[in-house]
Amino acid sequence: DAKTTQPPSMDCAEGRAANLPCNHSTISGNEYVYWYRQIHSQGPQYIIHGLKNNETNEMASLIITEDRKSSTLILPHATLRDTAVYYCIVLYNFNKFYFGSGTKLNVKP
Amino acid sequence: AAGVIQSPRHLIKEKRETATLKCYPIPRHDTVYWYQQGPGQDPQFLISFYEKMQSDKGSIPDRFSAQQFSDYHSELNMSSLELGDSALYFCASTARGEETQYFGPGTRLLVL
Repeated sequence: DAKTTQPPSMDCAEGRAANLPCNHSTISGNEYVYWYRQIHSQGPQYIIHGLKNNETNEMASLIITEDRKSSTLILPHATLRDTAVYYCIVLYNFNKFYFGSGTKLNVKP
Repeated sequence: AAGVIQSPRHLIKEKRETATLKCYPIPRHDTVYWYQQGPGQDPQFLISFYEKMQSDKGSIPDRFSAQQFSDYHSELNMSSLELGDSALYFCASTARGEETQYFGPGTRLLVL
Protein backbone atom coordinates (compact mmCIF):
# COMPACT_ATOMS: atom_id res chain seq x y z
CA ASP A 1 0.00 0.00 0.00
CA ALA A 2 1.33 3.40 -0.91
CA LYS A 3 1.85 5.52 2.17
CA THR A 4 1.63 9.27 2.36
CA THR A 5 3.56 11.83 4.38
CA GLN A 6 2.14 15.24 5.22
CA PRO A 7 3.27 18.01 7.54
CA PRO A 8 1.26 17.88 10.76
CA SER A 9 0.16 21.49 10.62
CA MET A 10 0.28 24.64 8.52
CA ASP A 11 -0.87 28.20 8.92
CA CYS A 12 -2.33 30.38 6.20
CA ALA A 13 -3.57 33.96 6.17
CA GLU A 14 -7.17 34.45 5.14
CA GLY A 15 -7.44 35.34 1.46
CA ARG A 16 -4.07 33.90 0.61
CA ALA A 17 -3.39 30.65 -1.21
CA ALA A 18 -2.87 27.58 0.92
CA ASN A 19 -0.44 25.06 -0.52
CA LEU A 20 -0.56 21.67 1.18
CA PRO A 21 2.19 19.21 0.22
CA CYS A 22 2.04 15.43 0.26
CA ASN A 23 4.74 12.87 -0.39
CA HIS A 24 3.76 9.48 -1.79
CA SER A 25 7.08 8.13 -3.04
CA THR A 26 5.90 4.49 -3.20
CA ILE A 27 2.87 5.18 -5.34
CA SER A 28 2.14 2.70 -8.12
CA GLY A 29 1.27 3.60 -11.67
CA ASN A 30 -2.45 2.94 -11.34
CA GLU A 31 -3.02 4.51 -7.93
CA TYR A 32 -4.94 7.74 -7.71
CA VAL A 33 -4.15 10.56 -5.32
CA TYR A 34 -7.20 11.76 -3.39
CA TRP A 35 -7.62 14.72 -1.11
CA TYR A 36 -10.29 14.95 1.57
CA ARG A 37 -10.76 17.29 4.47
CA GLN A 38 -12.42 16.88 7.83
CA ILE A 39 -13.86 19.85 9.61
CA HIS A 40 -14.15 19.29 13.32
CA SER A 41 -15.27 15.64 13.49
CA GLN A 42 -17.66 15.96 10.55
CA GLY A 43 -17.57 13.32 7.85
CA PRO A 44 -14.55 13.60 5.55
CA GLN A 45 -15.38 15.80 2.57
CA TYR A 46 -14.11 14.99 -0.90
CA ILE A 47 -12.03 17.74 -2.47
CA ILE A 48 -10.28 16.51 -5.58
CA HIS A 49 -8.38 13.59 -7.05
CA GLY A 50 -5.97 12.88 -9.88
CA LEU A 51 -3.80 10.25 -11.50
CA LYS A 52 -1.10 11.97 -13.55
CA ASN A 53 -2.36 15.30 -14.78
CA ASN A 54 -2.99 18.40 -12.76
CA GLU A 55 -6.63 18.85 -11.86
CA THR A 56 -8.79 21.82 -10.91
CA ASN A 57 -12.33 22.10 -9.67
CA GLU A 58 -14.40 24.69 -7.87
CA MET A 59 -12.77 23.92 -4.56
CA ALA A 60 -9.09 23.47 -5.29
CA SER A 61 -6.27 22.58 -7.64
CA LEU A 62 -4.14 19.47 -7.50
CA ILE A 63 -0.59 19.53 -8.79
CA ILE A 64 1.07 16.13 -9.22
CA THR A 65 4.78 15.96 -9.98
CA GLU A 66 5.86 14.23 -13.15
CA ASP A 67 7.33 11.27 -11.25
CA ARG A 68 4.10 11.14 -9.20
CA LYS A 69 6.05 10.89 -5.96
CA SER A 70 4.48 14.03 -4.52
CA SER A 71 1.54 16.34 -4.94
CA THR A 72 0.29 19.68 -3.73
CA LEU A 73 -3.25 20.72 -2.95
CA ILE A 74 -3.87 24.40 -3.57
CA LEU A 75 -6.74 26.33 -2.05
CA PRO A 76 -6.51 29.56 -4.05
CA HIS A 77 -8.14 31.92 -1.57
CA ALA A 78 -8.34 30.37 1.87
CA THR A 79 -11.17 31.40 4.19
CA LEU A 80 -11.71 30.76 7.86
CA ARG A 81 -14.12 27.98 6.90
CA ASP A 82 -11.24 26.12 5.25
CA THR A 83 -9.72 25.44 8.66
CA ALA A 84 -9.70 21.64 8.81
CA VAL A 85 -7.54 18.53 8.71
CA TYR A 86 -6.59 17.76 5.13
CA TYR A 87 -5.89 14.16 4.18
CA CYS A 88 -3.87 13.06 1.19
CA ILE A 89 -4.81 9.48 0.32
CA VAL A 90 -3.47 7.11 -2.26
CA LEU A 91 -6.31 4.89 -3.33
CA TYR A 92 -5.23 1.30 -3.30
CA ASN A 93 -7.02 -1.38 -5.24
CA PHE A 94 -10.05 0.81 -5.95
CA ASN A 95 -11.33 0.06 -2.52
CA LYS A 96 -10.49 1.10 0.98
CA PHE A 97 -8.88 4.38 1.90
CA TYR A 98 -5.89 4.49 4.20
CA PHE A 99 -5.99 7.77 6.05
CA GLY A 100 -2.64 9.09 7.23
CA SER A 101 -2.23 11.72 9.89
CA GLY A 102 -3.21 14.61 7.64
CA THR A 103 -2.31 18.27 7.84
CA LYS A 104 -4.13 20.56 10.23
CA LEU A 105 -4.61 23.78 8.27
CA ASN A 106 -5.19 26.86 10.40
CA VAL A 107 -6.53 29.79 8.44
CA LYS A 108 -6.02 32.99 10.39
CA PRO A 109 -7.69 36.37 9.93
CA ALA B 1 -27.99 16.56 -3.81
CA ALA B 2 -28.77 13.58 -1.62
CA GLY B 3 -26.01 12.54 0.73
CA VAL B 4 -25.15 9.52 2.82
CA ILE B 5 -27.45 9.19 5.81
CA GLN B 6 -26.37 7.64 9.06
CA SER B 7 -28.48 6.86 12.09
CA PRO B 8 -28.46 7.39 14.90
CA ARG B 9 -26.20 10.41 15.02
CA HIS B 10 -25.41 9.87 18.67
CA LEU B 11 -25.57 6.74 20.78
CA ILE B 12 -24.75 6.04 24.39
CA LYS B 13 -24.35 2.46 25.56
CA GLU B 14 -23.10 0.61 28.60
CA LYS B 15 -20.23 -1.86 28.55
CA ARG B 16 -21.19 -5.30 27.27
CA GLU B 17 -24.29 -3.95 25.52
CA THR B 18 -24.93 -4.17 21.80
CA ALA B 19 -25.34 -1.40 19.25
CA THR B 20 -26.55 -1.23 15.68
CA LEU B 21 -25.51 1.58 13.38
CA LYS B 22 -27.26 2.17 10.10
CA CYS B 23 -26.06 3.66 6.84
CA TYR B 24 -28.14 4.68 3.85
CA PRO B 25 -25.97 5.29 0.78
CA ILE B 26 -26.49 7.90 -1.86
CA PRO B 27 -29.19 6.74 -4.32
CA ARG B 28 -27.78 4.45 -7.03
CA HIS B 29 -24.62 3.81 -5.00
CA ASP B 30 -24.06 0.10 -4.48
CA THR B 31 -20.88 0.03 -2.41
CA VAL B 32 -20.65 0.89 1.26
CA TYR B 33 -17.58 1.36 3.48
CA TRP B 34 -17.38 1.61 7.26
CA TYR B 35 -14.66 3.53 9.09
CA GLN B 36 -13.93 4.02 12.78
CA GLN B 37 -12.31 7.17 14.14
CA GLY B 38 -11.23 7.08 17.77
CA PRO B 39 -10.66 10.26 19.81
CA GLY B 40 -7.73 12.16 18.32
CA GLN B 41 -7.19 9.42 15.75
CA ASP B 42 -7.50 9.22 12.00
CA PRO B 43 -10.29 7.23 10.35
CA GLN B 44 -9.54 3.51 10.09
CA PHE B 45 -11.17 1.25 7.53
CA LEU B 46 -13.34 -1.49 9.02
CA ILE B 47 -15.22 -3.27 6.26
CA SER B 48 -16.85 -2.76 2.89
CA PHE B 49 -19.70 -4.26 0.89
CA TYR B 50 -20.45 -4.35 -2.80
CA GLU B 51 -23.77 -5.64 -4.08
CA LYS B 52 -24.61 -7.07 -0.66
CA MET B 53 -21.42 -9.09 -0.48
CA GLN B 54 -18.47 -8.30 1.76
CA SER B 55 -15.77 -6.98 -0.52
CA ASP B 56 -12.94 -6.16 1.88
CA LYS B 57 -12.12 -6.26 5.54
CA GLY B 58 -9.88 -4.10 7.64
CA SER B 59 -9.21 -3.92 11.35
CA ILE B 60 -12.71 -4.89 12.41
CA PRO B 61 -13.01 -6.72 15.75
CA ASP B 62 -14.65 -10.13 15.76
CA ARG B 63 -17.32 -8.64 18.05
CA PHE B 64 -18.46 -6.51 15.13
CA SER B 65 -20.39 -7.70 12.13
CA ALA B 66 -21.97 -5.93 9.23
CA GLN B 67 -24.18 -6.59 6.27
CA GLN B 68 -25.66 -4.86 3.29
CA PHE B 69 -29.30 -5.30 2.42
CA SER B 70 -31.21 -5.51 -0.86
CA ASP B 71 -31.91 -1.78 -0.80
CA TYR B 72 -28.13 -1.25 -0.37
CA HIS B 73 -28.36 0.17 3.11
CA SER B 74 -25.90 -1.30 5.56
CA GLU B 75 -25.87 -2.03 9.26
CA LEU B 76 -22.89 -2.36 11.57
CA ASN B 77 -23.66 -4.56 14.56
CA MET B 78 -21.43 -4.22 17.58
CA SER B 79 -21.68 -6.63 20.50
CA SER B 80 -20.03 -6.86 23.92
CA LEU B 81 -19.19 -3.19 23.73
CA GLU B 82 -16.00 -2.03 25.35
CA LEU B 83 -14.92 1.41 26.48
CA GLY B 84 -12.44 1.48 23.60
CA ASP B 85 -15.26 1.23 21.08
CA SER B 86 -16.18 4.82 21.84
CA ALA B 87 -15.55 6.56 18.56
CA LEU B 88 -17.02 8.19 15.51
CA TYR B 89 -18.24 5.68 12.96
CA PHE B 90 -18.42 6.87 9.39
CA CYS B 91 -20.09 5.26 6.46
CA ALA B 92 -19.14 6.10 2.89
CA SER B 93 -20.68 5.08 -0.39
CA THR B 94 -19.69 4.94 -4.01
CA ALA B 95 -21.09 3.70 -7.28
CA ARG B 96 -19.72 0.79 -9.30
CA GLY B 97 -16.84 1.85 -11.50
CA GLU B 98 -16.19 4.95 -9.45
CA GLU B 99 -13.61 5.38 -6.73
CA THR B 100 -14.62 8.61 -5.04
CA GLN B 101 -16.16 7.83 -1.67
CA TYR B 102 -18.76 10.14 -0.19
CA PHE B 103 -18.95 10.13 3.57
CA GLY B 104 -21.90 10.45 5.87
CA PRO B 105 -21.98 12.70 8.94
CA GLY B 106 -21.06 9.85 11.24
CA THR B 107 -22.46 8.23 14.36
CA ARG B 108 -20.83 9.19 17.63
CA LEU B 109 -20.83 6.18 19.95
CA LEU B 110 -20.06 6.60 23.61
CA VAL B 111 -19.61 3.48 25.71
CA LEU B 112 -19.83 4.04 29.47
